[in-house]
Amino acid sequence: GNSVTQMEGPVTLSEEAFLTINCTYTATGYPSLFWYVQYPGEGLQLLLKATKADDKGSNKGFEATYRKETTSFHLEKGSVQVSDSAVYFCASRETSGSRLTFGEGTQLTVNP
Amino acid sequence: EAGVAQSPRYKIIEKRQSVAFWCNPISGHATLYWYQQILGQGPKLLIQFQNNGVVDDSQLPKDRFSAERLKGVDSTLKIQPAKLEDSAVYLCASSSPGLRAGEQFFGPGTRLTVL
Repeated sequence: GNSVTQMEGPVTLSEEAFLTINCTYTATGYPSLFWYVQYPGEGLQLLLKATKADDKGSNKGFEATYRKETTSFHLEKGSVQVSDSAVYFCASRETSGSRLTFGEGTQLTVNP
Repeated sequence: EAGVAQSPRYKIIEKRQSVAFWCNPISGHATLYWYQQILGQGPKLLIQFQNNGVVDDSQLPKDRFSAERLKGVDSTLKIQPAKLEDSAVYLCASSSPGLRAGEQFFGPGTRLTVL
């Protein structure tokens, strides 16, 4: 089955710093890839997605590119804000079916 | 539009007791999911309904967990009897094959603590 691996450990940055959160996946086919964000006290929200190789998903200044050759979907943002503090989850969805497989999540804290 | 509603938001029970969670999906969403999110881990799918039929329950511990979606709208997830390792956040999500096909919309979750 599919699996998703995110970089370990919480990430702490200063405001306006560059953000990268690594995500790699394993799959038998060509899954769709997602980044979800969970703000404190709220439910998971879709941040961005990509459905095929070389697609770039983007939203709210965040970007991620579907790299089939490296089986990766790293999340990036050029200048983070305090309001970006949240837990970020990378997820994949099989080509058949709609089950989402999530990574472990990465806690991001942005300090002013 | 209203989002996915869940209740209760928090529940504390002792082991071997029973507990039930309720979910009301977004109006018109035919697909409903229940996920279990243990602290420090990503959500794991427990069961998926399409209307009132079960599509995927391969990861549901059927000896103690059950779920139903009568009439294809609201759903309940039950644990009986609860174990310590069931402490987690239980998330409900729904989706529709419409404009944003495949996107799952999540509720705020129910945080269960088993003592």
